[in-house]
Amino acid sequence: EAGVVQSPRYKIIEKKQPVAFWCNPISGHNTLYWYLQNLGQGPELLIRYENEEAVDDSQLPKDRFSAERLKGVDSTLKIQPAELGDSAVYLCASSFAGLGEQFFGPGTRLTVL
Amino acid sequence: AQTVTQSQPEMSVQEAETVTLSCTYDTSESNYYLFWYKQPPSRQMILVIRQEAYKQQNATENRFSVNFQKAAKSFSLKISDSQLGDTAMYFCAFMKPSSTSGTYKYIFGTGTRLKVLA
Repeated sequence: EAGVVQSPRYKIIEKKQPVAFWCNPISGHNTLYWYLQNLGQGPELLIRYENEEAVDDSQLPKDRFSAERLKGVDSTLKIQPAELGDSAVYLCASSFAGLGEQFFGPGTRLTVL
Repeated sequence: AQTVTQSQPEMSVQEAETVTLSCTYDTSESNYYLFWYKQPPSRQMILVIRQEAYKQQNATENRFSVNFQKAAKSFSLKISDSQLGDTAMYFCAFMKPSSTSGTYKYIFGTGTRLKVLA
């Protein structure tokens, strides 16, 4: 069974540039999460989807961050424009509602110069 | 609001020894789940063990076991016969299912960096 796929694995951009991250969850998982993980810290939820609906985006900085999950499968997280403080690892995870366990992707390490 | 606290930023243990990682949480809920996740260096996070709050019996998975003290809101992870491959960040996580929306809230602690020494 394929795991959660994320791309790219690494991204280096100049500040004020846009950037997008892509996530493909495990087949059949209707819940998808985007997390921000700073070095040495735990994941912090940015947004959670149940199918194609964003059910918790209270921590998403909506002035520069946006996300979508078309057809309730793949998801894209975008930052525009990126700031120096956005440098972090962006994790995607998925789960089958009711079971609780989350399956994580390898993450995208973003460096903003 | 729910919070999860891991008070040990770093720990080390000799190979084959036993180590216990601490986690406390704060909630007014009675129905919830607790998890320990492992994140090896430069590798993705994986589930180690889970505990349902309604179960009195502590969960075990091979060399990993938990000490769940519901009244004290404590959820520690014990690793027996530590192996070099256990070197990783360990995150405690709390999940509270919603009884109305069918969704749930997931909160992670700040992690404990464990190093197993040869």
